[in-house]
Amino acid sequence: GENVEQHPSTLSVQEGDSAVIKCTYSDSASNYFPWYKQELGKRPQLIIDIRSNVGEKKDQRIAVTLNKTAKHFSLHITETQPEDSAVYFCAAFVQGGSEKLVFGKGTKLTVNP
Amino acid sequence: GAVVSQHPSWVICKSGTSVKIECRSLDFQATTMFWYRQFPKQSLMLMATSNEGSKATYEQGVEKDKFLINHASLTLSTLTVTSAHPEDSSFYICSARETGRQETQYFGPGTRLLVL
Repeated sequence: GENVEQHPSTLSVQEGDSAVIKCTYSDSASNYFPWYKQELGKRPQLIIDIRSNVGEKKDQRIAVTLNKTAKHFSLHITETQPEDSAVYFCAAFVQGGSEKLVFGKGTKLTVNP
Repeated sequence: GAVVSQHPSWVICKSGTSVKIECRSLDFQATTMFWYRQFPKQSLMLMATSNEGSKATYEQGVEKDKFLINHASLTLSTLTVTSAHPEDSSFYICSARETGRQETQYFGPGTRLLVL
């Protein structure tokens, strides 16, 4: 089945710096890749997503890139702010049969003021 | 739009009792809902996929007789943890997928279960 690897597990940056989180997936049939932000004790919130027919998508300070050939996708956060501190999860949507999201293990991002 | 609620948000129970958690899609219909379990500092682990009007599909290693799932309407799915034990203590989160939309899932706020 699908396997999603996420790196790094923790990331600490200074306010204003950029942060990059990378994920790889194993199933070439996966076609949808969302990113979720989860603050402590709260629900995961969808922050951006990308479909396999697109290579890059941007929403203000957040961007996601997808390399289908290499089967990896990345989250880029520019001009980080303390409120960006949270755990970020990438996921891949598995098609066919039991359609479901498979999540990476998460990256704890800390933005230091 | 796309709001999912969960009830209760917190529950403490004694070992051996059963606990029911509700997941509701408030402003959309959800043919499919998902139940996840999340242990501290870990990722979301899918327990089961719940389809309205049919039996739930459980992930490998999840006991279907212990975690009973019912999805009787397009806006409500319930998870019952039967004969709960301390090792069942966790954060249980549901998500709902809007009917007709294949991939996007919206998460509920989660239910923190503590079994004493």
